[in-house]
Amino acid sequence: GAGVSQSPSNKVTEKGKDVELRCDPISGHTALYWYRQSLGQGLEFLIYFQGNSAPDKSGLPSDRFSAERTGGSVSTLTIQRTQQEDSAVYLCASSFTPLGGYTFGSGTRLTVV
Amino acid sequence: GESVGLHLPTLSVQEGDNSIINCAYSNSASDYFIWYKQESGKGPQFIIDIRSNMDKRQGQRVTVLLNKTVKHLSLQIAATQPGDSAVYFCAETSNAGNMLTFGGGTRLMVKP
Repeated sequence: GAGVSQSPSNKVTEKGKDVELRCDPISGHTALYWYRQSLGQGLEFLIYFQGNSAPDKSGLPSDRFSAERTGGSVSTLTIQRTQQEDSAVYLCASSFTPLGGYTFGSGTRLTVV
Repeated sequence: GESVGLHLPTLSVQEGDNSIINCAYSNSASDYFIWYKQESGKGPQFIIDIRSNMDKRQGQRVTVLLNKTVKHLSLQIAATQPGDSAVYFCAETSNAGNMLTFGGGTRLMVKP
């Protein structure tokens, strides 16, 4: 597509439920990133995929968070047993190479009640 | 650890004035810097970038200045317009890094 697409745009879930967030990167972009942005805060790195290499998971805050990227394209971020502190905007970005500017999606606003 | 940060969380300017947003970084190995603009409800958008072999780069109404001696980056916006109101982030990386490290962001408010 023309840009990075994320779905859903908004998600309200009950504490303890699992959620899946989806990211469709720009076609041909080999690098894909997930970031988290809490209200009024900066961007917190979560996980990075580059081609077929093992992902860099160093930013995942707990083992409740996981992500996969199928066929080097679409990525899914899964949060298990959601907690209220997981409430944030989850941003996905992609790029041709690890370096250089990213193109961001509009994010998924997750609210855990 | 290494980090990128901003001096001012909020900047309020009059429409038509020039704006300057500052950013400090601490990783001396950083060699590529980017400014992003984030409007409400949207993801960050690329504005302008600069590599460490340069100290100034100009775009349309925007200029990025890099001072490697004091590890300081700034974004200058000429003739600031209401549409410039947003949060601005600086980000940095190095050839050894796999991802961008973002600063905390500065909110720019343009008064009509």
